[in-house]
Amino acid sequence: GQQLNQSPQSMFIQEGEDVSMNCTSSSIFNTWLWYKQDPGEGPVLLIALYKAGELTSNGRLTAQFGITRKDSFLNISASIPSDVGIYFCVRSNAGGTSYGKLTFGQGTILTVHP
Amino acid sequence: NAGVTQTPKFRILKIGQSMTLQCTQDMNHNYMYWYRQDPGMGLKLIYYSVGAGITDKGEVPNGYNVSRSTTEDFPLRLELAAPSQTSVYFCASSYLEGSETQYFGPGTRLLVL
Repeated sequence: GQQLNQSPQSMFIQEGEDVSMNCTSSSIFNTWLWYKQDPGEGPVLLIALYKAGELTSNGRLTAQFGITRKDSFLNISASIPSDVGIYFCVRSNAGGTSYGKLTFGQGTILTVHP
Repeated sequence: NAGVTQTPKFRILKIGQSMTLQCTQDMNHNYMYWYRQDPGMGLKLIYYSVGAGITDKGEVPNGYNVSRSTTEDFPLRLELAAPSQTSVYFCASSYLEGSETQYFGPGTRLLVL
């Protein structure tokens, strides 16, 4: 199946630092999603990207859809303790008979030290 | 709205036992999904449903069954529990066909010994 490769697998940073993580695929995607999973909770959608080259922000989060449509990155500026969690890049199979089925990357675990 | 609720939160099963993981949503969503999350991995789709009475297999359906008799409920059944089914199970729902915004429940942690 089509795989999503996220890097890094984990990050340990100090509060206030900026964070950058990315996701690559061997296949072209039409939609990139970034979800966050807080400890002990289910994932929550952070950002959705629909066009190659698109740059979208959500507060301190910024994500970009790569020009080749095979990659995406997520940046978090001025990290705070509540940024702790697992960040997933996700492919959406939206459209046709796909019924919104999602394919998750393996995740980037973020730890923020106060 | 409570959103998506799952019960139980945690369960220990012996090999060969059966159980049903419950999932209920109060958002009147047509689309519902079951995922499993193994340690260090992303979520994998087990089964999904596009409406009452309609279900289909996802990526990893073996060892599981589902039913969808109402819009609100989407239970997941394990008939013969195996250690490989030790995982965290998440139920999710969405309103629009192809919607990227899926609303997840808090998960059920299952340990099979």
